[in-house]
Amino acid sequence: QVQVVQSGAEVKKPGASVKVSCKASGYTFNDYYIHWVRQAPGQGLEWVGWINPNSGGTDYPQKFQGRVTMTTDTSISTAYMELSRLTSDDTAVYYCARARYSSSSVGTEYWGQGTLVTVSS
Amino acid sequence: DIQMTQSPSSLSASVGDRVTITCQASQDIDNHLNWYQQEPGKAPKVLIYDASNLETGFPPRFSGSGSGTDFTLTISSLQPEDIATYYCQQYNNLPFTFGGGTKVEIK
Repeated sequence: QVQVVQSGAEVKKPGASVKVSCKASGYTFNDYYIHWVRQAPGQGLEWVGWINPNSGGTDYPQKFQGRVTMTTDTSISTAYMELSRLTSDDTAVYYCARARYSSSSVGTEYWGQGTLVTVSS
Repeated sequence: DIQMTQSPSSLSASVGDRVTITCQASQDIDNHLNWYQQEPGKAPKVLIYDASNLETGFPPRFSGSGSGTDFTLTISSLQPEDIATYYCQQYNNLPFTFGGGTKVEIK
């Protein structure tokens, strides 16, 4: 069965970077895009971007461009989301999610359990 | 960016009531819309995909409809286990955007 398991909670200081991992199993990793979504405490969902593991291609909303980097290590079926120059506004639960359809970015189907990133001095 | 306007932001209904949540896109998104259910403290789950397809494992009292700019999520008979926040998301245009959420409570 498909599983998506994320790394554990992180506490970072303002100005630092954080790298969250997302390990997938139960399917051919290269065939499905990985999305990242975040949720600040008590707030709604915000799309952070996607990566195509097959090509390494990415797309990020303008808000995150220059600060977010998504990568994959296909040898271990793992995706990563690195966010730099952290501020308190980046405190959130970060989720990864597998796309629904092979070779397409549209939709999501399987979600990770979430990783809490806390930014505090 | 496409704006997704969800309403109401919260609602309180009795067990057995029919509940309707709407989501309006600022431009045509065809049927490229997901509905998510998020229980307190848990990750979101896809409830409806491609506007009207019920995800496996959810009961048929949940349904989705709409195309273009106007979409609806309906719970035909509200149950206590449906207490959650529901979000819509469009994936027709980048960046993919979410509605603000609807918190559903039992009266």
